[in-house]
Amino acid sequence: AQSVTQLGSHVSVSEGALVLLRCNYSSSVPPYLFWYVQYPNQGLQLLLKYTTGATLVKGINGFEAEFKKSETSFHLTKPSAHMSDAAEYFCAVSGQDGGTSYGKLTFGQGTILTVHP
Amino acid sequence: DTAVSQTPKYLVTQMGNDKSIKCEQNLGHDTMYWYKQDSKKFLKIMFSYNNKELIINETVPNRFSPKSPDKAHLNLHINSLELGDSAVYFCASSPTTSGRKYFGPGTRLTVL
Repeated sequence: AQSVTQLGSHVSVSEGALVLLRCNYSSSVPPYLFWYVQYPNQGLQLLLKYTTGATLVKGINGFEAEFKKSETSFHLTKPSAHMSDAAEYFCAVSGQDGGTSYGKLTFGQGTILTVHP
Repeated sequence: DTAVSQTPKYLVTQMGNDKSIKCEQNLGHDTMYWYKQDSKKFLKIMFSYNNKELIINETVPNRFSPKSPDKAHLNLHINSLELGDSAVYFCASSPTTSGRKYFGPGTRLTVL
């Protein structure tokens, strides 16, 4: 069984400020972890993903996330927010093994990021 | 070129009606999915097909029936629509049963 918790349904930052979107997961098998972004009236777009190897993962648009197994976390960060980053962000987990969770994404509730001028 | 497309984007209908949502991907992927995003923004998987065969079938009312005429298409047919079916439905595809998923733009279904 897997679950994802995103802390904070809304996050507001000033342009140029650090962006931190929190994600904690639980998984009975080694996880793959993902961050997706959804812009208004668009589908979900993959920002970055962790599979194996380096725990600090860099994605598109300057975002990165670090897999911390001991904390079961996969927080998303960006050093300097831009107005165009305003969107809804979803954390997701799937299983690495060949069981029922393999290839099946479990999403968090999403976090709406607002960027102020 | 749109990688994963869904039609229609918006669907408003009465309770009890039967409706279909279509999904097409031009990425050559083997696996396609349907997800339901409810009012609380949870995206839950409903179905997954790999090479036209059903591989994931979550606990979904049997009023929902997916149909995959070929690898590039996965349609969702819903019988006897209910108010609780109102949601955004996302189609997605991936090269295999794991890895990156490409999502369609979503279909907002409103049942009156």
